Formats: sequence, C-alpha cells, structure tokens
Amino acid sequence: EIVMTQSPATLSVSPGERATLSCRASQGVRSNLAWYQHKPGQSPRLLIYGASTRATGVPVRFSGSGYGTDFTLTISSLQSDDFAVYYCHQYNRWPPGWAFGQGTKLEVK
Amino acid sequence: EVQLVESGGASIHPGGSLRLSCAASGFTFSRRAMGWVRQIPGKGLEWISGISASGSDRDHADSVKGRFTISRDSSRDTLFLKMDSLRVDDTAIYYCAKYPAFHYRDYYFDSWGRGTLVTVSS
Repeated sequence: EIVMTQSPATLSVSPGERATLSCRASQGVRSNLAWYQHKPGQSPRLLIYGASTRATGVPVRFSGSGYGTDFTLTISSLQSDDFAVYYCHQYNRWPPGWAFGQGTKLEVK
Repeated sequence: EVQLVESGGASIHPGGSLRLSCAASGFTFSRRAMGWVRQIPGKGLEWISGISASGSDRDHADSVKGRFTISRDSSRDTLFLKMDSLRVDDTAIYYCAKYPAFHYRDYYFDSWGRGTLVTVSS
C-alpha cells in the first residue's frame, strides 16, 4: 500500500516570504499528484493537479513540481490568506489506501 | 458555481446506523463521479468511497468495506453514504467531493463540500 509523507508537519513563515512544502510517495505515482488547501470550517480547495497544473482561479504564486516519488508545492510570496493546512494526494495507484498525506500546517511566523 | 452540501451527521452509539446526504448543484451531476473523504479529528484525510457517474461502479476503503455503502440518485442530484455498524473510530468529519470525470479511478477531487460531523460514542 502506498504511503504519502509530507514534510514538515508545521512550517512557520513570514508574510511575503517563500514557502516550500514537500510530499514524498513510498512508490512512484508518475505525475498523478494533487495539492489541496484547507482552512478550518471550510471546504478543501484544489490548488494543483497533475503535479504542476494550477486549478482554475488559483493565483500564480502557487506552483507545483516533481515526478515519481518527490513533489513540492511552492508559494512564492505568502499572503495572509495562504495560512492553512496543505495536503498532497496521489491518484495514480489503486486501491488508494491512504492516498492523502498527513498535511503541512503553514502558520505565521 | 459548484456547490456540495452535506447533511445527516449526528451523534450516535456504537453499532448504530446513519445515512449521510450530499446535495449537489452547479454542474451536471449525472456526468461526474463522486466520492466521500473523512477527516478524523486531529488527523489527515482518508478516502472512503467512490462511485462512477452512472452508479454502475463503486469502491470502498478496506476500513469501511462491508459496513458503508455509497450510492447516488441522479434524479435528485444527491449522493449518499449509508453507514452501518458504526464504531468509535468512525468519528470524523465526512466530506462529499466531486471528481472531474465520469469515473473515480485515476482522478483527483476538483470540488468539496464543507463536511458533516459524525460522532460515535457510548
């Protein structure tokens, strides 16, 4: 069963700075990797699919990269609205098992 | 605008049953696969169930197989999750989510609801 591991668990960054979040798959998932943003009490929001394609309406400061087992979500200049929990999600392997990473909480430094 | 609104969450004793509903709008429900994802308090997200646009294919995670059943009613644009033999470790927020395709395999979720809380406790 594939396992997705996100690091770090918590990332403290100041507004205006760059944030880099990592996601590693225990087996290769090609580019079948998505990223979601989740704020308390709200719906999770799709940010990135296909490892690097921004979803409709997602600001250009969000970018995704990677292939196979190692992936990165970069937020180039943090805005106050960006502080949230971020999840990666592999959709290459079936059954999905624990298809989501455990999340990275992005907090204000 | 896509909207997914879950309902049916409640506090219930172990061994009990619940049926969650998800009212969908803003897209052609009958042409999109749907799924359920849960979040155990303080933990991450767990994929629970998926159903194809036609309803002919469906799958469940091993953790709920034989106890939970996903279904859909395209005449009412509504997704369901029937939950039987509930256990304490089923306590979670349950999210309804939409796939961007007819089938759920090999796809991510492009829209989510806000979730409904299920608490299983004696």
